[in-house]
Amino acid sequence: ETGVTQTPRHLVMGMTNKKSLKCEQHLGHNAMYWYKQSAKKPLELMFVYNFKEQTENNSVPSRFSPECPNSSHLFLHLHTLQPEDSALYLCASSQGAGLDQETQYFGPGTRLLVL
Amino acid sequence: AQKITQTQPGMFVQEKEAVTLDCTYDTSDQSYGLFWYKQPSSGEMIFLIYQGSYDEQNATEGRYSLNFQKARKSANLVISASQLGDSAMYFCASQNPSGSRLTFGEGTQLTVNP
Repeated sequence: ETGVTQTPRHLVMGMTNKKSLKCEQHLGHNAMYWYKQSAKKPLELMFVYNFKEQTENNSVPSRFSPECPNSSHLFLHLHTLQPEDSALYLCASSQGAGLDQETQYFGPGTRLLVL
Repeated sequence: AQKITQTQPGMFVQEKEAVTLDCTYDTSDQSYGLFWYKQPSSGEMIFLIYQGSYDEQNATEGRYSLNFQKARKSANLVISASQLGDSAMYFCASQNPSGSRLTFGEGTQLTVNP
């Protein structure tokens, strides 16, 4: 299943580095999401984009900066991260049409380690 | 706000047997959706099954069925004829009426023994 792809799959970065995570969906969807999954914690919604417009920011620190240039691509720019930001970052997409069943389809995730 | 509770951190089942994974939800919304996802060790979240709050019939998808008891606010996942490949984390999630937000539980680690 390659409907939603994410690169890189693994990333190790220092606290002073700047890196970007990329997500691409091939499903013709209009909504895209970033989630953070830390060990032993439920998935946390970070950002929601609908038709390229950010519709939700779940009180995410400014060291995480999303970008959605079009409905198929979503980026998460990272800078001056902290070790507690180490987690699995999952991207998802959905139809975005306000349907009753708005199923989100996920990518494989990027495992991030901040040293 | 919505809240999902999964009370079973870990479950074990013998191959070919059925297993039930528990999920209770708390929401003040009249309309909502309930989802189950599977997450293998590779990390990807795989959509399994959906139940709408107004659906009168329990959802089924192959070996997966959802035991929806609205009055009890429970949405348990039943996996029939377990296979070794079913070993994974399973997450229950609820969706708000606008469809923009999924709230996940903490998950249940299922291990299928040969």
